[in-house]
Amino acid sequence: ETGVTQTPRHLVMGMTNKKSLKCEQHLGHNAMYWYKQSAKKPLELMFVYSLEERVENNSVPSRFSPECPNSSHLFLHLHTLQPEDSALYLCASSQDLIGTGWTGELFFGEGSRLTVL
Amino acid sequence: QKEVEQNSGPLSVPEGAIASLNCTYSDRVSQSFFWYRQYSGKSPELIMSIYSNGDKEDGRFTAQLNKASQYVSLLIRDSQPSDSATYLCAVRGYSTLTFGKGTMLLVSP
Repeated sequence: ETGVTQTPRHLVMGMTNKKSLKCEQHLGHNAMYWYKQSAKKPLELMFVYSLEERVENNSVPSRFSPECPNSSHLFLHLHTLQPEDSALYLCASSQDLIGTGWTGELFFGEGSRLTVL
Repeated sequence: QKEVEQNSGPLSVPEGAIASLNCTYSDRVSQSFFWYRQYSGKSPELIMSIYSNGDKEDGRFTAQLNKASQYVSLLIRDSQPSDSATYLCAVRGYSTLTFGKGTMLLVSP
């Protein structure tokens, strides 16, 4: 396993279901991110974790709940979603947290395509 | 609200031509600038970064930055059909990385 892996790749769920997206990075990075990518919209940053601590929550509805049990794993728990939440959810990691002097690179997983019926 | 603007395209160029992709940003304190390429159904991957005014060349790719005009561009020389993808401009402020919507590039054989 290399890079950033996400499971499942595709997920269809009803509005009352509870599901989770999983992300694992094999790069030894210290920071992990959840992004949402919708058609015709820029990538939207949802959550940022640095060394397992949440450092940013960009006004994301509480129906999205992140969990970072260790520096290699990141989850996004989903419950009571709305059809407008259908999107591609991308996990990313970087060696260090984005900040002053950051010249790093975000490494993205392949994404989890979520459809909410 | 920090914004990064890109023309969504598609930008269509013939094989062998130069493709020019443009990006403007609103935050004057932006410090670093990146171009990511995203093939259809795939995740974004970094192809160029630029931190100071001027040009930076890497193979067929040239990134250009003009901080006074808040403008960054990506030139792809000798465009190939394999360059067909969406190109995302990303701009770093102090602690954030803001992405544009991306420009779709289509290179026809």
